Amino acid sequence: SQQGEEDPQALSIQEGENATMNCSYKTSINNLQWYRQNSGRGLVHLILIRSNEREKHSGRLRVTLDTSKKSSSLLITASRAADTASYFCATDAGNTGKLIFGQGTTLQVKP
Amino acid sequence: GAVVSQHPSWVICKSGTSVKIECRSLDFQATTMFWYRQFPKQSLMLMATSNEGSKATYEQGVEKDKFLINHASLTLSTLTVTSAHPEDSSFYICSAGEGAVEKLFFGSGTQLSVL
Repeated sequence: SQQGEEDPQALSIQEGENATMNCSYKTSINNLQWYRQNSGRGLVHLILIRSNEREKHSGRLRVTLDTSKKSSSLLITASRAADTASYFCATDAGNTGKLIFGQGTTLQVKP
Repeated sequence: GAVVSQHPSWVICKSGTSVKIECRSLDFQATTMFWYRQFPKQSLMLMATSNEGSKATYEQGVEKDKFLINHASLTLSTLTVTSAHPEDSSFYICSAGEGAVEKLFFGSGTQLSVL
């Protein structure tokens, strides 16, 4: 399987704290994307980082990419209860739209 | 933003019947759509790439005769689970890209339960 790994598998924090999730992948990539999934729902695209980028910000989200280590991290600052969801990284090796998803991190933010 | 509509949201069927799931791009044309399945508390696994006007490309291990994909127009792809069995019970989700495929939009998914 080409699927990557994410850690932690589950994360529980208090509202206001920061949440960091890590993703590792196995093959060369064109870009890496992070998605959010609420229970039983579709995916929402959060942020995309290209292979020639090292860091990207979007609102309370900060993504880093280390292609030498084949890893990425997603930081959610000042978390809110509404951030409770599963978060997945996904890699696109050839800019084809075919995504290989990581195992996901389940985040619980307690009010 | 672009919207992908998936229907139905959930379906319960008897073993041996076939189920069709639709994926529509509502306000853009999608020459390529993707189908994934997701088991409970697991990640998404790519099943196939749906190409408008041509045959779908299936991932290794996915039975093309079991999971029929038709992409007859630039806004509609369908996945038919033929002769469904309980092990086919899963969450099926489609995605489509608007223009460049860097940004993909996902449908809301279909929960299939086969009794």
